[in-house]
Amino acid sequence: AQSVAQPEDQVNVAEGNPLTVKCTYSVSGNPYLFWYVQYPNRGLQFLLKYITGDNLVKGSYGFEAEFNKSQTSFHLKKPSALVSDSALYFCAVRDAGKSTFGDGTTLTVKP
Amino acid sequence: NAGVTQTPKFQVLKTGQSMTLQCAQDMNHEYMSWYRQDPGMGLRLIHYSVGAGITDQGEVPNGYNVSRSTTEDFPLRLLSAAPSQTSVYFCASSYGLGETQYFGPGTRLLVL
Repeated sequence: AQSVAQPEDQVNVAEGNPLTVKCTYSVSGNPYLFWYVQYPNRGLQFLLKYITGDNLVKGSYGFEAEFNKSQTSFHLKKPSALVSDSALYFCAVRDAGKSTFGDGTTLTVKP
Repeated sequence: NAGVTQTPKFQVLKTGQSMTLQCAQDMNHEYMSWYRQDPGMGLRLIHYSVGAGITDQGEVPNGYNVSRSTTEDFPLRLLSAAPSQTSVYFCASSYGLGETQYFGPGTRLLVL
């Protein structure tokens, strides 16, 4: 069975500082990995996905994610955080049509 | 394109009532899914479909039915609503197995 863990419920960073939101996964076979963002009272929006062979994945709004097969991690990163990045972030793994999501990490960027 | 649409946006039910949450997509996507989102629990998969006429259970299917008679529509039926089904429900679709999912705006359901 596949699973996703987001070990931090909340991440707080100052505007302009780099940010990291952590995700680890467990899946049999090659993983399809995704990051989504959710703003209040909205559905989830796609940020980026892992494509086999690319250890650093670039996505929307300046976000990127680092894939590490040996550590089974797929951490979301951004070099310089913006206040508007404050939102709920979900990591997800997809296999055979079924997606499993982490519990989410609330990112707060303070001015 | 309208993308993924869901109706209603908000619904209040009494325990034991039944209802159908509607989901439609106009992107010709084969894969469609229903999730529920509860505080601190992320999204949990209820049912999913890999094409018209084909559905399967997800992580939390009890109390819910689905059907997929067309590529566009994927309704979710609550057979006899219970307070434990109070949640926000999201429908999502994708073109293929490893492709990005597009989410609807959600239906907020309150069961009294």
